[in-house]
Amino acid sequence: AQSVTQPDIHITVSEGASLELRCNYSYGATPYLFWYVQSPGQGLQLLLKYFSGDTLVQGIKGFEAEFKRSQSSFNLRKPSVHWSDAAEYFCAVHYYGQNFVFGPGTRLSVLP
Amino acid sequence: DGGITQSPKYLFRKEGQNVTLSCEQNLNHDAMYWYRQDPGQGLRLIYYSQIVNDFQKGDIAEGYSVSREKKESFPLTVTSAQKNPTAFYLCASRETGDSYNEQFFGPGTRLTVL
Repeated sequence: AQSVTQPDIHITVSEGASLELRCNYSYGATPYLFWYVQSPGQGLQLLLKYFSGDTLVQGIKGFEAEFKRSQSSFNLRKPSVHWSDAAEYFCAVHYYGQNFVFGPGTRLSVLP
Repeated sequence: DGGITQSPKYLFRKEGQNVTLSCEQNLNHDAMYWYRQDPGQGLRLIYYSQIVNDFQKGDIAEGYSVSREKKESFPLTVTSAQKNPTAFYLCASRETGDSYNEQFFGPGTRLTVL
């Protein structure tokens, strides 16, 4: 069965520092990959997605993610974090004909 | 504006009661989903529907029921058989034409059992 791991449950960074959130997936084939963000008590908003082509994808709010097939990873990055980025981040994978599988999430705290 | 609405935002239920959570979308999406979210567990799929008048159980369907009589509506009923219903419930929809299409989410309903 597919699975998605996000090794970091909680990350704290200072405002202005760089950020990398990790995501790894199981299963052999390359899935469609997504990163979502959730503010407290809200729904999920899509940040970016990857399905083919250039392995570095750009998203909204200054985020980017890099797909590495050899590592089965799709890590999310941002060069300079803003206080408003404090939220929970979910990685998700999707294979043709199957349901989405979401990771457990990484909660991001931002220090002033 | 196109989007997904969920109501109510907060819902309180006494033990033994059934309650129904509303989900409506005007995105003209074929597929709709219900997820349950508990702290530290990500999103778990309750039910999904790929087309009107058809739906399938997800990973944690016990104690829940759904209907899909209209394309834009996918209500979820939490029955008294659900042992621990206190959670945050998210509805989503998706255009099924391409596999890379993302799911769009509503704002959620927080259900608390008193």
